[in-house]
Amino acid sequence: TQLLEQSPQFLSIQEGENLTVYCNSSSVFSSLQWYRQEPGEGPVLLVTVVTGGEVKKLKRLTFQFGDARKDSSLHITAAQPGDTGLYLCPDFNKFYFGSGTKLNVKP
Amino acid sequence: EAGVAQSPRYKIIEKRQSVAFWCNPISGHATLYWYQQILGQGPKLLIQFQNNGVVDDSQLPKDRFSAERLKGVDSTLKIQPAKLEDSAVYLCASSLGLADSYEQYFGPGTRLTVT
Repeated sequence: TQLLEQSPQFLSIQEGENLTVYCNSSSVFSSLQWYRQEPGEGPVLLVTVVTGGEVKKLKRLTFQFGDARKDSSLHITAAQPGDTGLYLCPDFNKFYFGSGTKLNVKP
Repeated sequence: EAGVAQSPRYKIIEKRQSVAFWCNPISGHATLYWYQQILGQGPKLLIQFQNNGVVDDSQLPKDRFSAERLKGVDSTLKIQPAKLEDSAVYLCASSLGLADSYEQYFGPGTRLTVT
């Protein structure tokens, strides 16, 4: 049984701060996706990482895939209120989304 | 390109009543998914269709939930009779195909409240 953990569960920060959220699995991901779900909306795909050690940047968001492809991090620089939402890294082998990290960026 | 459409956006019913949700996926997307998202949790897959065939319905409570995608396009999810614990957001998503299941496009969801 694959365990999927995201941390922290909740994060409340001020606008302009930096933050990192983590996704850890007990098994190897063939590929890993990060989704963001804003309040009242469905999740939106942010990025897909495939290769161990891969780093992708999307404006102020930096995604890193662990060398062993069991973990990933998402770093946000100078967070903005528009970054508020639930960040998910689902395991699509089992269609398991977990509870994600709920981020609140206060203006 | 139009996104995934869902209706209604909100629904309030009493327990033991029935309710139906509708989803229109992105044009050309063969795979359609229904999820249940309880407050504070991530989405939970209820059923997955490939065209008009069911791929996975192992987590669908079949005694009260049913879903269909008769023509391989639109889909309907029904609950009959509803229970209090069915209060949740019901999300529909679609992807090009099974091989693209990691890249799903979600609708805005239907928020169901059962009183």
